[in-house]
Amino acid sequence: EAQVTQNPRYLITVTGKKLTVTCSQNMNHEYMSWYRQDPGLGLRQIYYSMNVEVTDKGDVPEGYKVSRKEKRNFPLILESPSPNQTSLYFCASSLLGAEDTEAFFGQGTRLTVV
Amino acid sequence: AQTVTQSQPEMSVQEAETVTLSCTYDTSESDYYLFWYKQPPSRQMILVIRQEAYKQQNATENRFSVNFQKAAKSFSLKISDSQLGDAAMYFCAYQPSYTGANSKLTFGKGITLSVRP
Repeated sequence: EAQVTQNPRYLITVTGKKLTVTCSQNMNHEYMSWYRQDPGLGLRQIYYSMNVEVTDKGDVPEGYKVSRKEKRNFPLILESPSPNQTSLYFCASSLLGAEDTEAFFGQGTRLTVV
Repeated sequence: AQTVTQSQPEMSVQEAETVTLSCTYDTSESDYYLFWYKQPPSRQMILVIRQEAYKQQNATENRFSVNFQKAAKSFSLKISDSQLGDAAMYFCAYQPSYTGANSKLTFGKGITLSVRP
């Protein structure tokens, strides 16, 4: 089954404690992206990657890091989480340049930073 | 930069009735994609319908259809014969069509649709 898998689904952590949210896709997609969803703001892009070892900032990259060492994995790293990073996070993947491109989303990760 | 505007934060519809969700967008591009996503309480993002800007014909998917007005930069979603399972948050989204660049989805703020039995 084609899917994007995020883990964990829920996470409560304390300010300053490094954490990683994993994202993996099994569709051989080149493009992967992280979004955060906040009430009244919709989803906003954090970082994206167009292929292995190619990553770049989205609209709200401050406080986040990513890596793309393998095509299937695109982890989101919070080196020193702060309460303003409490949010719902989505990983998404898609083909690049395809006529019928469609973004596949993970199940979401609800992060609370206290 | 592209922007997507959903001005209505909430709407309500009677079961079996029809409801239209509004969306406007701003872009200087001539070719792009537009989407409506549904997010039920499970939080999963579900693609409802997609429209290519170069196609004049409005997209339809069963009870869901769009009214795409390219000149007006308007992209509304019509849900016919509303069902209780349609209750969710709906997001309108824009995506550029050119390759070699960020295929970012730009989302509106979303609208919460409730369905009255």
